Amino acid sequence: KAGVTQTPRYLIKTRGQQVTLSCSPISGHRSVSWYQQTPGQGLQFLFEYFSETQRNKGNFPGRFSGRQFSNSRSEMNVSTLELGDSALYLCASSFSGSLYNEQFFGPGTRLTVL
Amino acid sequence: AQTVTQSQPEMSVQEAETVTLSCTYDTSESDYYLFWYKQPPSRQMILVIRQEAYKQQNATENRFSVNFQKAAKSFSLKISDSQLGDAAMYFCAYDQTGANNLFFGTGTRLTVIP
Repeated sequence: KAGVTQTPRYLIKTRGQQVTLSCSPISGHRSVSWYQQTPGQGLQFLFEYFSETQRNKGNFPGRFSGRQFSNSRSEMNVSTLELGDSALYLCASSFSGSLYNEQFFGPGTRLTVL
Repeated sequence: AQTVTQSQPEMSVQEAETVTLSCTYDTSESDYYLFWYKQPPSRQMILVIRQEAYKQQNATENRFSVNFQKAAKSFSLKISDSQLGDAAMYFCAYDQTGANNLFFGTGTRLTVIP
């Protein structure tokens, strides 16, 4: 079974631009969570989608948004990029959100904002 | 709010020896899960072991075991017979039951000395 895939793997943008990152979950998984990893703030939860609905949201500004499609693929968008948005963005998929379902992580997208 | 604390930024261990990584957490919830994740230089986050809060028995996975002290809110990871491939960042994480919203500690970088 293929793992979680994220595209692109690396991205360079300039301040003020917007960016869209994509995450394809493991086949059959319906939940996708997004995390931001930076040296200063560590790993922080962005949001979680399940069956095309956002169920949980972390403490990030409205510039960070996401969506999930009917095939469970998810995208996250960051508008008006700031230098501090430079980070590794990880997505994780799981079968569902009930009780325990292991989250499987993708390799991440490394975003650099210049 | 849930918090996860890892007080050891770096640890080292001789190959074949045993090492223990510490983690404490704070929550007012009674149902939750605790995890140890490994992040090697490739940045792929890998689940090492998990513990359900309602289980008194400590989880074990081959050379990895935990010491879960619910009252003390402590969750340490013991790695026995350390191998070179164990070198990585180790993150302790908390998830409220069914939330799919992981709270991570700041990580412990483990070095394995040949």
